[in-house]
Amino acid sequence: AQKVTQAQTEISVVEKEDVTLDCVYETRDTTYYLFWYKQPPSGELVFLIRRNSFDEQNEISGRYSWNFQKSTSSFNFTITASQVVDSAVYFCARRGGQLTFGSGTQLTVLP
Amino acid sequence: DTEVTQTPKHLVMGMTNKKSLKCEQHMGHRAMYWYKQKAKKPPELMFVYSYEKLSINESVPSRFSPECPNSSLLNLHLHALQPEDSALYLCASSQAGGTNEKLFFGSGTQLSVL
Repeated sequence: AQKVTQAQTEISVVEKEDVTLDCVYETRDTTYYLFWYKQPPSGELVFLIRRNSFDEQNEISGRYSWNFQKSTSSFNFTITASQVVDSAVYFCARRGGQLTFGSGTQLTVLP
Repeated sequence: DTEVTQTPKHLVMGMTNKKSLKCEQHMGHRAMYWYKQKAKKPPELMFVYSYEKLSINESVPSRFSPECPNSSLLNLHLHALQPEDSALYLCASSQAGGTNEKLFFGSGTQLSVL
């Protein structure tokens, strides 16, 4: 199976700190897509970003930024100036056929 | 409207009961999905419907029976479940089922089997 690995099970930071969530993936596909989803306590998975395998440009959206490095098969996610509302489980996922999720990182932002 | 609506939000059932989970979307999406998520685990794919036809069944036991009555609705019929089937059941939809598509998820049904 082509795995997605999120080595950080839990991360705790104090509000306003920056935090990076790591994601490493395996793939045999030439074309594939990478995603990040956020799952707050309410349960709904909220889409954050999608990147295709041909686009290695980093992306910034407000306090969120993503670093895609094909050479290391990594797609890391950074939250700048974290807020309590960022507390959630964050899933990295890869799609060559169906969506395969990593095990998730529980982020807790303390006030 | 970018919502996927699931009902009920919570369900408690005995092992001999028959119940159904419902999912609805009005985004015009033609692919719909059922995922199962155990506590502190990632979602696992169960079924995929594409244009109202079952296209993927990930070796799910027959006590779970999906149904797609039309392009907006997806049901999951439950019968003779086991306690280990207790989990959050998530419905999702996407435009047509293509690899590049993002999935829109509902808030899920938290199922407890006693």
